[in-house]
Amino acid sequence: QKEVEQNSGPLSVPEGAIASLNCTYSDRGSQSFFWYRQYSGKSPELIMSIYSNGDKEDGRFTAQLNKASQYVSLLIRDSQPSDSATYLCAVTKGAQKLVFGQGTRLTINP
Amino acid sequence: NAGVMQNPRHLVRRRGQEARLRCSPVKGHSHVYWYRQLPEEGLKFMVYLQKENIIDESGMPKERFSAEFPKEGPSILRIQQVVRGDSAAYFCASSPIAIYNEQFFGPGTRLTVL
Repeated sequence: QKEVEQNSGPLSVPEGAIASLNCTYSDRGSQSFFWYRQYSGKSPELIMSIYSNGDKEDGRFTAQLNKASQYVSLLIRDSQPSDSATYLCAVTKGAQKLVFGQGTRLTINP
Repeated sequence: NAGVMQNPRHLVRRRGQEARLRCSPVKGHSHVYWYRQLPEEGLKFMVYLQKENIIDESGMPKERFSAEFPKEGPSILRIQQVVRGDSAAYFCASSPIAIYNEQFFGPGTRLTVL
């Protein structure tokens, strides 16, 4: 079992719709959870962090965490073509290092 | 407000040569992390450093790879006697404190081994 699992996609969503990205993790001791966006050939960009159960909203982005189910998700409302990228779920292992999922490739269709 | 800086952005080496990758963290950040992204693979942790100390090198290959973060100057990831399998994107990230651990990534160094 991979430590952090994501559906690799590609996930195709029409412009203006809600994109839903999911991630599961195996280490129950994980405390911090992150979503990064990575455009092709570029570096990961931190877009959301979440530390406690529930929802966290920032603009068009909402992160959801359910520690009992070991599940993290990212919702992108009013999807734009510029949201087309690979989205990486990351979870802390131990105190500091991040373990990344393989990423979900998202395409927003105009 | 400069972010994480890495240089060079692209590095070409022949098999057997040495590669030196540099990383300057965000000003005020004392925690530095190196990750490697192989083609079509995910990001993998390599090493975590604080000034003058290696805290966790559990992701570093046992041979040929070393890292340092001196009191003055950038963090250095050194790869000796490179092989074709070392070709990858190497990313440095920094964070201000360990708690919550938001890590901000630099632009990366793309290493190509001929």
